[in-house]
Amino acid sequence: EIVLTQSPGTLSLSPGERATLSCRASQSVSSSYLAWYQQKPGQAPRLLIYGASSRATGIPERFSGSGSGTDFTLTISRLEPEDFAVYYCQQYGGSPFTFGPGTKVDIK
Amino acid sequence: EVQLVQSGAEVKKPGESLKISCKGSGYSFTSYWIGWVRQMPGKGLEWMGIIYPGDSDTRYSPSFRGQVTISADKSISTAYLQWSSLKASDTAMYYCARHSGSGYSRSFDPWGQGTLVTVSS
Repeated sequence: EIVLTQSPGTLSLSPGERATLSCRASQSVSSSYLAWYQQKPGQAPRLLIYGASSRATGIPERFSGSGSGTDFTLTISRLEPEDFAVYYCQQYGGSPFTFGPGTKVDIK
Repeated sequence: EVQLVQSGAEVKKPGESLKISCKGSGYSFTSYWIGWVRQMPGKGLEWMGIIYPGDSDTRYSPSFRGQVTISADKSISTAYLQWSSLKASDTAMYYCARHSGSGYSRSFDPWGQGTLVTVSS
C-alpha cells in the first residue's frame, strides 16, 4: 500500500499570498496518477488536479500541480478568500487508492 | 449533468445492519467505476473500495475488506455500501464518488453529497 504524507499539516497565510503544499509517497506513483482535492467544511471534496498537473474542469488557473515519482506539489498562486480549506492528495496508481492526511490552509 | 445522489442520514444501534445508496444519473452507469470514501468526524478521507457496475468487479482496501460490502444494481443505476453488524466506530460521513474517466486508474469526480451514519446505543 502506498502511504502519502502531506506537509505542512496547517498553513496559515493571508489572502493574496502564495501557498505551496507538499505530498510525498512512500513509493513511486506510477504514471503520475496523483490527484488533489479541496474540501470546505460541510461539503464533499472537489477534484482540483489529476494526473499530477492537469486542472479539472472549471478549476481556476491559480491552482497548479507539479511533480512525479514520489514528490508532488500543489501551488495556489494568489490565495482568494474562498481557497481557505483542507487539501488532500490521492494516488490512484496502485490499489488501494490512498489519500494523504490533508493540509489545512487557514487565514493568518 | 453527471450527478450522484446519496440516501439520507441514518441513526442505528450497534449490531444493526445498514445499506446506504448512491444513484448515478447523466452518464452511462455501467461504464465507470464508483467508489466509497469514509470520513470519520474531524478526520481525513479514507478510500474504502470501488465497483465496476458493468460486471460488478469490486476492489476493497485491506482496511475495509470483510467489514463492508460494496455492490451495485445496474438496472437502477445505484451503488450500495452495506454493513451486517454496525459498530460505534462506523460513525462517519460516507461519500460515493465516480471515477473521472472510464478506466481503472482514475481520480474521483464527481462526488455525492455524503451520507452521515451515526451508530449509538
